[in-house]
Parts: sequence; C-alpha cells; structure tokens
Amino acid sequence: NAGVTQTPKFRVLKTGQSMTLLCAQDMNHEYMYWYRQDPGMGLRLIHYSVGEGTTAKGEVPDGYNVSRLKKQNFLLGLESAAPSQTSVYFCASEIQETQYFGPGTRLLVL
Amino acid sequence: GQQVMQIPQYQHVQEGEDFTTYCNSSTTLSNIQWYKQRPGGHPVFLIQLVKSGEVKKQKRLTFQFGEAKKNSSLHITATQTTDVGTYFCAGDAGNMLTFGGGTRLMVKP
Repeated sequence: NAGVTQTPKFRVLKTGQSMTLLCAQDMNHEYMYWYRQDPGMGLRLIHYSVGEGTTAKGEVPDGYNVSRLKKQNFLLGLESAAPSQTSVYFCASEIQETQYFGPGTRLLVL
Repeated sequence: GQQVMQIPQYQHVQEGEDFTTYCNSSTTLSNIQWYKQRPGGHPVFLIQLVKSGEVKKQKRLTFQFGEAKKNSSLHITATQTTDVGTYFCAGDAGNMLTFGGGTRLMVKP
C-alpha cells in the first residue's frame, strides 16, 4: 500500500513549456485534490475531483487543467508554464473528511 | 470567499516551553482540521474537531474548537525538538477545506 504518490519529484521548466504532474493513490478514495504551496501562503486549492470523470475548480485554477480518467489517478497540466507557477505542488486524496497528502513535486519555472 | 487566518506566522521557543497557534475563520465552520508538516515533508493529518467548544488531546497536544465554530487553537505543552515543523489549520465550511497560512515552530534545544 503506497498511499499517495507523485511524479516527478522535481522539475525545471522554461517559460512557455508544458508539463503534466501525475498523482496516484491506491486507497480507492473518491476525492482527490491538487494544491500549491508557496512560502507564507499555506496550501491553496487548484482543482479537485469528487470521483472518476469529474473535476472542479478550486481557489487558484487559472493556468492549470486537470483530468481524472481513472479513479486512482489525478493529473495536473500546465499548458504554458510561467515563473509565477514556481511552487511546490501537493496532491491529496480524501476519505471520511481526512486528506492524505503525497510527497510533493517541486517545480521551478525559469 | 472563506478566509482562514493563522497566527503567529513563526514562533521560536526554547525546548520545554509551551507553544500555541491560533486559527480564525471568516465564516462558521462545520469542522476544523489540523495538520503538521515537517521541514521538507508533506502535511500530515493530526485531528478533526466537529462540535462547538470541543477539546481533544493527543499526548502533549491540546486542540480546541471555539463555541461559535469560527476559531480554533493548538497548544503544545513542554515542546520537544521533534515538534519542529509547520502547523496548519484547515476549515471546512461545507464545500472544501481552506487552509490557514500555517505557524512555523522552531525549537531550540
């Protein structure tokens, strides 16, 4: 039981490049979330999903897209990366109102 | 939208001293959760409070939920170096969790 895993752990992008962050969970949780964490700002919700095939916008969705084609996977895409998207990205899955976080992806956009 | 404020942002304590972080929501919450994030790590769930005025304890940690369900606190008695990290509250107003900015606790041995 690996819990929540995230790929990659670290990535450097140039402005305008695209990439996809992968989150996988093996706990059969329905709810999944993508957050970004910036110094002094806590965790801000980007997008979330309440089940396979569904997605919804969170607090800071602009510049990101998501997909939940399979229950266990939640993908976060950046179509055209900007320096303002330099951050640490955490994925989480939830059961019984408790969220379980992945180890994070550190993204640097130059 | 819903806002969750947390104070202080940073706290340095000597090992053995007590520590408290406070959380305030702009809206009434259905529940509040607390998470701990060690340096370089990811947030880990500590506890959830649901009832007005609820108090829960986990060893040296005491969690309180205000009577109006708009504020909460976490108190650590006799801090240890293992308590180092950032403590986040997260308020649930019925749709999604909103995290506070966190309190970073540093403990001098």
